[in-house]
Amino acid sequence: DQQVKQNSPSLSVQEGRISILNCDYTNSMFDYFLWYKKYPAEGPTFLISISSIKDKNEDGRFTVFLNKSAKHLSLHIVPSQPGDSAVYFCAASVSGNTPLVFGKGTRLSVIA
Amino acid sequence: DSGVTQTPKHLITATGQRVTLRCSPRSGDLSVYWYQQSLDQGLQFLIQYYNGEERAKGNILERFSAQQFPDLHSELNLSSLELGDSALYFCASSTPGAKNIQYFGAGTRLSVL
Repeated sequence: DQQVKQNSPSLSVQEGRISILNCDYTNSMFDYFLWYKKYPAEGPTFLISISSIKDKNEDGRFTVFLNKSAKHLSLHIVPSQPGDSAVYFCAASVSGNTPLVFGKGTRLSVIA
Repeated sequence: DSGVTQTPKHLITATGQRVTLRCSPRSGDLSVYWYQQSLDQGLQFLIQYYNGEERAKGNILERFSAQQFPDLHSELNLSSLELGDSALYFCASSTPGAKNIQYFGAGTRLSVL
């Protein structure tokens, strides 16, 4: 069963607008969530993370929101730029140095 | 540059063969993780090593094995290869206490023909 789900395989957004990428999880033991960005022919690059004790974490243009009761998190990118076009993976883990459980990714295209 | 080095970048081989993928973690990182990404799939965890010892196992086939050496580099051995083993194999490393942020190498693309 898929413990981390990204239900939108792709998303297109105009440059300058907000991109919202969504992620749902089923395992209530997860207490740390991460977003990774992946360009073709490269490995995933860490973008931003959030602990389960918070509901929001912001880093520049990127904000992650966590709704624990709904087991849902989202990544907001404002404003979106063409260089943000990539595949975005949501990942979750139990605290400590444990393996990450990944969603299947959402391909974001930012159109100039 | 993540600081994690994977070699080779590409590997083309035939069914039934055996290959070895190599990973050098970031300086100071003790944990090494191996993930497999098949076409249009998310990354699937295979195995984790911490300071030379196996720490966790995921959906790793019995035909696959790994180890971490005293200098902390790791190798993933894939044997009796099948067409379905064609995939991207990523290695990641992390530092204890660093909020489980894992840093990934560029991956090895394995093609089994």
